[in-house]
Amino acid sequence: SQQGEEDPQALSIQEGENATMNCSYKTSINNLQWYRQNSGRGLVHLILIRSNEREKHSGRLRVTLDTSKKSSSLLITASRAADTASYFCATDARDYGQNFVFGPGTRLSVLP
Amino acid sequence: NAGVTQTPKFQVLKTGQSMTLQCAQDMNHEYMSWYRQDPGMGLRLIHYSVGAGITDQGEVPNGYNVSRSTTEDFPLRLLSAAPSQTSVYFCASSTLRTSGRGAAYEQYFGPGTRLTVT
Repeated sequence: SQQGEEDPQALSIQEGENATMNCSYKTSINNLQWYRQNSGRGLVHLILIRSNEREKHSGRLRVTLDTSKKSSSLLITASRAADTASYFCATDARDYGQNFVFGPGTRLSVLP
Repeated sequence: NAGVTQTPKFQVLKTGQSMTLQCAQDMNHEYMSWYRQDPGMGLRLIHYSVGAGITDQGEVPNGYNVSRSTTEDFPLRLLSAAPSQTSVYFCASSTLRTSGRGAAYEQYFGPGTRLTVT
């Protein structure tokens, strides 16, 4: 399976701190995406990074991609209580067309 | 736009019952998919469609049927519900976005249907 694996499984930080989540995958990819899921809700797309990109920014989010190590990281700076959610990385699923393979996610808790 | 909508939000079935989970999108996306999410796991692909009249199996298709008679709708049918199908089901639609850096699919998710089979 080329499923991504997020690390850590759970992360608890204080408001204002930075949160870093990592994702590793097994096969070569065209792109990697990060999603957020608030409890009981659907997934919301955060950021996409292509295999020829090394870093992307979106507001307080910074994503890096190291294709030689088959890994990506998501950094949330100056975290807020509203950032409490599960975060998933997803890689293109070569066997299933335009779909994605999701990791089990990192549960982030930001404490006020 | 309403985006991707799913009905019902919650459903309880008895073992052996059948039902259809509804999914609709109003973004004219050509691609639609069904995933299930189990506790502590990421999403797993059940079935997907690349356009009206075309469907294909994903990673975990057994026990489910789909059809795509229109671009907008992609219902998921449980033929004979089993407790192992207790899960949260997400429908998604996607489209190919191109930019100067290349093309990539963007996937949009519905709010989910929480299904319990007793």
